[in-house]
Amino acid sequence: ETGVTQSPTHLIKTRGQQVTLRCSSQSGHNTVSWYQQALGQGPQFIFQYYREEENGRGNFPPRFSGLQFPNYSSELNVNALELDDSALYLCASSLGGPNQETQYFGPGTRLLVL
Amino acid sequence: ILNVEQSPQSLHVQEGDSTNFTCSFPSSNFYALHWYRWETAKSPEALFVMTLNGDEKKKGRISATLNTKEGYSYLYIKGSQPEDSATYLCAFRPNTGNQFYFGTGTSLTVIP
Repeated sequence: ETGVTQSPTHLIKTRGQQVTLRCSSQSGHNTVSWYQQALGQGPQFIFQYYREEENGRGNFPPRFSGLQFPNYSSELNVNALELDDSALYLCASSLGGPNQETQYFGPGTRLLVL
Repeated sequence: ILNVEQSPQSLHVQEGDSTNFTCSFPSSNFYALHWYRWETAKSPEALFVMTLNGDEKKKGRISATLNTKEGYSYLYIKGSQPEDSATYLCAFRPNTGNQFYFGTGTSLTVIP
């Protein structure tokens, strides 16, 4: 059974650029959630996708957007990058749709915005 | 924004010591409380999913209790080992929506 993978592992961008982060969910999992963890903070919920539809969103602006594909892998896109977007981005997959139970996390993508 | 707090922020213990930490969350609209262990350079790993007031769960030397009426959960580690060194995160899910609210974690270092 393949676990959750994320790519890239590290990324450096400049302010104003756009970035796409990728997540492959654990086999059979139809739900993916994305989190942002800034330095010294706990993970903050960005949004969740269930069967290719957005299924809940945290307090993040519209320049944070996402996609989920038929194979349940997912992308997080961030436009017009700001310095405060520098963080670790985690994705987590789960089975069971909106009433998810255990989440399985990937190792994260560390984004630095200069 | 819901407030989930963990204490202490960090902890250093000697190998063999037992230890515990706290996760505090809102006592209303409870749905679930999750505990995760996060070792450096690895992915957060789920430890427990707790849903009922009075729940006690155990995995080896690690156990957790839940009090939803007063809004807290304790994580206990008996006879700490160096491999227990990690950050322990709790995540609260209310019964509205499907968002998890994470604490900032307790960083545990077990000194051999």
